[in-house]
Amino acid sequence: DGGITQSPKYLFRKEGQNVTLSCEQNLNHDAMYWYRQDPGQGLRLIYYSQIVNDFQKGDIAEGYSVSREKKESFPLTVTSAQKNPTAFYLCASSTGGTERISNQPQHFGDGTRLSIL
Amino acid sequence: ILNVEQSPQSLHVQEGDSTNFTCSFPSSNFYALHWYRWETAKSPEALFVMTLNGDEKKKGRISATLNTKEGYSYLYIKGSQPEDSATYLCAFTTSNTCNQFYFGTGTSLTVIP
Repeated sequence: DGGITQSPKYLFRKEGQNVTLSCEQNLNHDAMYWYRQDPGQGLRLIYYSQIVNDFQKGDIAEGYSVSREKKESFPLTVTSAQKNPTAFYLCASSTGGTERISNQPQHFGDGTRLSIL
Repeated sequence: ILNVEQSPQSLHVQEGDSTNFTCSFPSSNFYALHWYRWETAKSPEALFVMTLNGDEKKKGRISATLNTKEGYSYLYIKGSQPEDSATYLCAFTTSNTCNQFYFGTGTSLTVIP
């Protein structure tokens, strides 16, 4: 079955530690996204990537880093610079590539919940 | 960050009732409006993407309309069923912020059998 797999489902971070959230898709989609959800707020875009080896910052990129070395994979690293990392993180993908992607429906993973120890 | 508002925040209806909710967004530089359904313990699922003023989309008992001039979209559910219980999200994109998506906080619908 084609889809998006996020792992782990739950993750705990110690103070000063970097952690990496995994996102893999087998939908052959060019574009991938990372969102953060906090209670009472809508999904907020952290980073997106339209094609391999290219990515752009969203509205809340500070304290996060990404890489896009393979089409299938878009890992998100939450660095120690992110002072309030406790949140629910969703990964998504869509078609588009170098075309405009903001009119393409997104397919989402099941999410990773990150908490601070 | 552009503001997208959804109302009501939550809604309880009886099985068989029809219902609707609203997504409001800035009307300038409109590009596309997305609707998603997010059931508990599942991932959000795309319902509609609308790009033209006056667009109407339909999927089974669910339909949506779009007014880009006044900056709103309505989602309608006809004859609600318990399986329609979910949070319905809208997301807005603009022509001048590249591929940024701006999501509302959602409307949580509970259909009571």
